[in-house]
Amino acid sequence: NAGVMQNPRHLVRRRGQEARLRCSPMKGHSHVYWYRQLPEEGLKFMVYLQKENIIDESGMPKERFSAEFPKEGPSILRIQQVVRGDSAAYFCASSSLGQPSGNTIYFGEGSWLTVV
Amino acid sequence: AQKITQTQPGMFVQEKEAVTLDCTYDTSDPSYGLFWYKQPSSGEMIFLIYQGSYDQQNATEGRYSLNFQKARKSANLVISASQLGDSAMYFCAMREGPRGSRLTFGEGTQLTVNP
Repeated sequence: NAGVMQNPRHLVRRRGQEARLRCSPMKGHSHVYWYRQLPEEGLKFMVYLQKENIIDESGMPKERFSAEFPKEGPSILRIQQVVRGDSAAYFCASSSLGQPSGNTIYFGEGSWLTVV
Repeated sequence: AQKITQTQPGMFVQEKEAVTLDCTYDTSDPSYGLFWYKQPSSGEMIFLIYQGSYDQQNATEGRYSLNFQKARKSANLVISASQLGDSAMYFCAMREGPRGSRLTFGEGTQLTVNP
């Protein structure tokens, strides 16, 4: 896990507010992935990004969710107008390759979003 | 159809004994990778072990080994000499295809190690 930094670790938002989750990949990694874990479930893929490009967003809800990975700075997962069902743990992972294998993909410690 | 199936929602094992956590997968792609992760109550995802579809030998990492049976499409995790600190949720995951980038996770198995 070492090296992938996510913040905040815990975030509480009221319904209708915006949530912004940040992820700094491991040094030297240019591939970032976001996953969502609903309570009592496994992780579900959301989006895969490289610097300034969204490669695969097939797991992203069509509305209210967006992600970016700018040339400078962390990757951001943004959730607009949050609803209670958005309450989940959001994990970021990074790799140096687009085809992770072995221990070449590393997860952050997760950001826990609670919508009240 | 489920890509990754973990049929054991919960497992119990006595300290110092071995335990096997089941994982079956479904893919038609000849190139894939299988991962096991541990998620303790603190929430982080800890990588344990990896098996590539073309690897000739079963993967081992310390007390963890992967019983890879390709024809049966199973990739069971074996933990030897269980410790109290092994109590956690365990997830099996798969990456598909030579250009596959994302992991598909199973629903997990909650392992409890009893003293």
